Amino acid sequence: RKEVEQDPGPFNVPEGATVAFNCTYSNSASQSFFWYRQDCRKEPKLLMSVYSSGNEDGRFTAQLNRASQYISLLIRDSKLSDSATYLCAVNLGGNEKLTFGTGTRLTIIP
Amino acid sequence: DAGVIQSPRHEVTEMGQEVTLRCKPISGHNSLFWYRQTMMRGLELLIYFNNNVPIDDSGMPEDRFSAKMPNASFSTLKIQPSEPRDSAVYFCASRLQVPEAFFGQGTRLTVV
Repeated sequence: RKEVEQDPGPFNVPEGATVAFNCTYSNSASQSFFWYRQDCRKEPKLLMSVYSSGNEDGRFTAQLNRASQYISLLIRDSKLSDSATYLCAVNLGGNEKLTFGTGTRLTIIP
Repeated sequence: DAGVIQSPRHEVTEMGQEVTLRCKPISGHNSLFWYRQTMMRGLELLIYFNNNVPIDDSGMPEDRFSAKMPNASFSTLKIQPSEPRDSAVYFCASRLQVPEAFFGQGTRLTVV
């Protein structure tokens, strides 16, 4: 089983819709969780951290479900500019390695 | 801050040649990662360093790959000899005592 798994998509969503992705992780000792965004032919950039209590940043909401070992990302009122690949990343804590999923490709359709 | 700086941005080389990729992490960061990204396998961790010391190189595909970090401001990833299946985008990332990492713009390697 892969350490971090994501549905690769693609997700094709009309502008203004709400879309959600999940990401599962295999190591129950994982401590830190993140969502990164990667535009075509660019480097991954940190979108947001995922906290145990869930957190929101504008139209983006991230949640963690430790019991089922997954994190989620919800995008409300999607914009054309949200089209990108979204990568989840998991860390065991401290100076441990950061492991990424393969990414979910999202395309917002006008 | 200039961010993580990688060079070259693009590299085309012939099979069998040696390739050296370079990375300058963000000043003051104490962890450095080398990742490889392909369509098939996504973003794979090759090796990471803490305080210039290699911690986990289990992702290095084979002996043809080697990485060094002689000081806190420089790291190299070397492939010798290169093969067409090494074609990928290689990213370097760094961080400072926080779990999230910051990426360089990557080196797009093509081995023909």
